Amino acid sequence: EIVLTQSPATLSLSPGERATLSCRASQSVSSYLAWYQQKPGQAPRLLIYDASNRATGIPARFSGSGSGTDFTLTISSLEPEDFAVYYCQQRSNLFTFGPGTKVDIK
Amino acid sequence: QVQLQESGPGLVKPSQTLSLTCTVSGGSISSGDYYWSWIRQPPGKGLEWIGYIYYSGSTYYNPSLKSRVTISVDTSKNQFSLKLSSVTAADTAVYYCARDVTTSSDVDYWGQGTLVTVSS
Repeated sequence: EIVLTQSPATLSLSPGERATLSCRASQSVSSYLAWYQQKPGQAPRLLIYDASNRATGIPARFSGSGSGTDFTLTISSLEPEDFAVYYCQQRSNLFTFGPGTKVDIK
Repeated sequence: QVQLQESGPGLVKPSQTLSLTCTVSGGSISSGDYYWSWIRQPPGKGLEWIGYIYYSGSTYYNPSLKSRVTISVDTSKNQFSLKLSSVTAADTAVYYCARDVTTSSDVDYWGQGTLVTVSS
C-alpha cells in the first residue's frame, strides 16, 4: 500500500499570502497524483490532476508540481474562500488519500 | 452535467450490513472512461477510499476493507451499489459515491455524501 504524508498538518496564513503544501509518497506514484479542496459540510472538489494540471474552472492561483514521491500544491495569493482542508490522493497503485492540510486564517 | 446521488438508510445496527446505492445522471455508467467509486469520511476525519467498479463489473477494493465490501453495478438503471457487512461504530461516516477517470489520477465528480450512523 502506498502511504501519503502531508505537511504541515495546519498552515496559518493571512489573505494575500502564498501557501505551499507538501505531499510525500512512500514510493513512486509517477505523476498519478491529484489535489482536492474540502470545505465543511461539502464534498471534496478536484483542483489538480496528474500532479500539475488544473481541473476545469480552477483559478490560476492554484498550481501543482512534482513527480515520483514529492509533490507541492501552491496557492499564489490566498483568497478568503481558499481557507479549507486540502487532500492529496494517488492512484498509481489502487487509491489512497493523504491525511490533509488545514489552511486557516492567521 | 454529471450528477451522482447516494441513497440508503442513515442508521444501521452493529453487525448488520450497510447498503447504499448511487444513481448517476447526465452521463452513462457504461462509459469505458470511468471507474465508479465509493469513498467515506468519518466525522472530523480524513477521506478513505473503499473501492471502485468498472462498468464491466471488474472491482478493486481497499485491502483493509476487502473482506467486508461488495460493490456492484446495474447498467440498466445507471446505478452502482455498496454493501459493507458486519459493521461497527467505526464504520460511521459520510459515504460518497464518485466518478474516477481511468486515464488520469483524479475523481472529477462527487455525490453530496450521505451520513450513515452505526448504532443500536
